[in-house]
Amino acid sequence: ELKVEQNPLFLSMQEGKNYTIYCNYSTTSDRLYWYRQDPGKSLESLFVLLSNGAVKQEGRLMASLDTKARLSTLHITAAVHDLSATYFCAVDNFGNEKLTFGTGTRLTIIP
Amino acid sequence: GAVVSQHPSRVICKSGTSVKIECRSLDFQATTMFWYRQFPKQSLMLMATSNEGSKATYEQGVEKDKFLINHASLTLSTLTVTSAHPEDSSFYICSARLESDRAPNEKLFFGSGTQLSVL
Repeated sequence: ELKVEQNPLFLSMQEGKNYTIYCNYSTTSDRLYWYRQDPGKSLESLFVLLSNGAVKQEGRLMASLDTKARLSTLHITAAVHDLSATYFCAVDNFGNEKLTFGTGTRLTIIP
Repeated sequence: GAVVSQHPSRVICKSGTSVKIECRSLDFQATTMFWYRQFPKQSLMLMATSNEGSKATYEQGVEKDKFLINHASLTLSTLTVTSAHPEDSSFYICSARLESDRAPNEKLFFGSGTQLSVL
């Protein structure tokens, strides 16, 4: 059974600081997704990582994938308040878009 | 990107009634859609895979008779929560799979979600 774990579960950080969210998964994966969710809202797609060593960046967010370590990271650079949200990684381990979601990381950026 | 519409966004119903949630792919055809459930402050759990023209595939532990899924056309899947009870209160989210070269990397598109509250 595929398990996807994120840490930390909760993260409170000051504006301007850098931090990393980690996503570990237990079996081989075809692709890995990162999503953002605001309270009461659905998911906003951030990144799709397709291969080992993949790195993608959008604004202050950068995601990477290490399939050998079964690890993906989401790095936040110089955090701003607008980044406060819950972030989920999700794994598609059969290439059929049936996703197993991580536990989520609730990020709060403090001014 | 492709657009998936989910309706209603919020529904409140009495215990024992049935509620239907619609998921539509607006600008593409989707032979496969997925239904997820999310309890407050928790992660998303896959409930079932909806297949156009055939029976849905349910994940272990999900009651088929409780959560009826119909995927009668290439753009519409419905989830009906039958005889709803307070424990069915949750946020339900659908996603649709885009099967074309239009977006080779981004194949999944999510609806806006439905907050179901059963009194």
